[in-house]
Amino acid sequence: DTAVSQTPKYLVTQMGNDKSIKCEQNLGHDTMYWYKQDSKKFLKIMFSYNNKELIINETVPNRFSPKSPDKAHLNLHINSLELGDSAVYFCASSQGSGSRTGELFFGEGSRLTVL
Amino acid sequence: KQEVTQIPAALSVPEGENLVLNCSFTDSAIYNLQWFRQDPGKGLTSLLLIQSSQREQTSGRLNASLDKSSGRSTLYIAASQPGDSATYLCAVKSGGSYIPTFGRGTSLIVHP
Repeated sequence: DTAVSQTPKYLVTQMGNDKSIKCEQNLGHDTMYWYKQDSKKFLKIMFSYNNKELIINETVPNRFSPKSPDKAHLNLHINSLELGDSAVYFCASSQGSGSRTGELFFGEGSRLTVL
Repeated sequence: KQEVTQIPAALSVPEGENLVLNCSFTDSAIYNLQWFRQDPGKGLTSLLLIQSSQREQTSGRLNASLDKSSGRSTLYIAASQPGDSATYLCAVKSGGSYIPTFGRGTSLIVHP
């Protein structure tokens, strides 16, 4: 059973479209994250949720909107896609927040290509 | 703001060599440090997690050490194999946002 699963794995779309990436974890963790990995392979945090509450929102365009319907899911919706949004988006989860955060587990990534 | 640096950026070695990958961080007030492996086109696989109170962790041929005072961690890979070829990333969780900050990784190639 996959611990952190993301769908879709690949997404090719036109500029201006709206798309969503879904993430689910079956580890019982209470904190979930979205990271963006650019073409130079650098991983940058986008959002973090703890118990369905947003705790971190880095400098991300408001075209990106995360939604956490429950502790096991954190979805990412992107409006009006731009060429610069092309990247690999990783979902991750861990147990605890603040100083007690434990091991981070990652999904396989969702490669978004905007044409 | 925490900054994480990994040196070298790339490394190519013959099979059988013992390797040391370095990770340095600017803020020594960390909670934990985690080493990952990423294969091309894949997600990140956790290798070792070191809590701030620990000095090292070992798993098989891997040994990670942590020296908070000097802001450094090293990942030691013994008797390297071609299957070890991947990008190795370290992530540091420290005060403030409590969000793990990543280095840019070390790309390792072990050739037969």
